[in-house]
Amino acid sequence: DAGITQSPRYKITETGRQVTLMCHQTWSHSYMFWYRQDLGHGLRLIYYSAAADITDKGEVPDGYVVSRSKTENFPLTLESATRSQTSVYFCASSPIQGDNQPQHFGDGTRLSIL
Amino acid sequence: AQSVTQLGSHVSVSEGALVLLRCNYSSSVPPYLFWYVQYPNQGLQLLLKYTSAATLVKGINGFEAEFKKSETSFHLTKPSAHMSDAAEYFCAVSRGGNFNKFYFGSGTKLNVKP
Repeated sequence: DAGITQSPRYKITETGRQVTLMCHQTWSHSYMFWYRQDLGHGLRLIYYSAAADITDKGEVPDGYVVSRSKTENFPLTLESATRSQTSVYFCASSPIQGDNQPQHFGDGTRLSIL
Repeated sequence: AQSVTQLGSHVSVSEGALVLLRCNYSSSVPPYLFWYVQYPNQGLQLLLKYTSAATLVKGINGFEAEFKKSETSFHLTKPSAHMSDAAEYFCAVSRGGNFNKFYFGSGTKLNVKP
């Protein structure tokens, strides 16, 4: 089925480790986004991408790295994980055509850093 | 600058009662407005979006929202709450273009009492 999938759904790691969260969408949407969700903060944008090889920082990019070599994939890497990066991470995508296009979300990755 | 304020982080209603979830936005240009719902351990699902074709927008599951420019509001309502409506609801604003970046409110958790 078409959609947006995130993997893994749950991840536990230790401080200082590198961890990569995967996001794959089958709609060929141009725009892709990474958010983190924390209590009291709603969703905060980490990074976004307008197309393959075009990425830019969002509201809270520090400590994160993204890449987009293919339109359908948008991995998020924590190069050296810290406890403050414990959160639920959501990937989203939207088409480029027209305004007021909604973003479509994956089911999230719950990341715990010990 | 754009922002979204959701009044009330928790709202509790009885089954069959009116649901009213408040959302106010600030935007320097006419915005595009969205309501999303999040069930436990799931991603965000689109409930409805404001398209500027009509100020009263009907969404899924019996929800609707009214765009009031004079009040900069986009409150979400449902005439009769159902137990299955218990979830967290997010209001979001976008200007379109601009990589379709969204700005989310901090969310309102709806509890429905039997």
